[in-house]
Amino acid sequence: AQKVTQAQTEISVVEKEDVTLDCVYETRDTTYYLFWYKQPPSGELVFLIRRNSFDEQNEISGRYSWNFQKSTSSFNFTITASQVVDSAVYFCALSEANGGFKTIFGAGTRLFVKA
Amino acid sequence: NAGVTQTPKFQVLKTGQSMTLQCAQDMNHEYMSWYRQDPGMGLRLIHYSVGAGITDQGEVPNGYNVSRSTTEDFPLRLLSAAPSQTSVYFCASRGEDRLSSRTQYFGPGTRLLVL
Repeated sequence: AQKVTQAQTEISVVEKEDVTLDCVYETRDTTYYLFWYKQPPSGELVFLIRRNSFDEQNEISGRYSWNFQKSTSSFNFTITASQVVDSAVYFCALSEANGGFKTIFGAGTRLFVKA
Repeated sequence: NAGVTQTPKFQVLKTGQSMTLQCAQDMNHEYMSWYRQDPGMGLRLIHYSVGAGITDQGEVPNGYNVSRSTTEDFPLRLLSAAPSQTSVYFCASRGEDRLSSRTQYFGPGTRLLVL
């Protein structure tokens, strides 16, 4: 069965600090996708990144970077030089082939960035 | 494209009342799904559909019904509302082609309060 664990419930940092949000997943499938979504205080869900199970290459997008490691079943998200606008709830999600690629979410990590 | 739309934005129900949450998408996506979001629980999958006429249960289907008569619409029905169904409901859709890579896009949400 698929499962996503985000052990950090809340993280508080001061602006310009780097912060890493952890995501550990469980799956028996060899074909799957991993996602990160952002939910700002306004409530909408914003897609950030997608990774498939065959592509372990790490990715950087501006201040955001993602570290995908199949050996530890982790897909961690790092924000460099955090800003107040990064304050949000961040969700990690898993979609596996066995089960029609239905997407299961972690409980989310609430990030507070203080000025 | 309007993307994924949901109505209403906010609804108050009394215990035992029924209602339908509407969801529509104009992206010709085959896959649609419903989630509920509760504090500390992340997003939990209620029901999903891989195409018109095909639906299946997610993690928390009890108390909810769905149908998919068209590609565009995926309504969620509460037959007899209970206070435990107080939540924020999100509808999502995604394409099934390789280009979309199974990324879900979410509607703005419906906030439901059951008294």
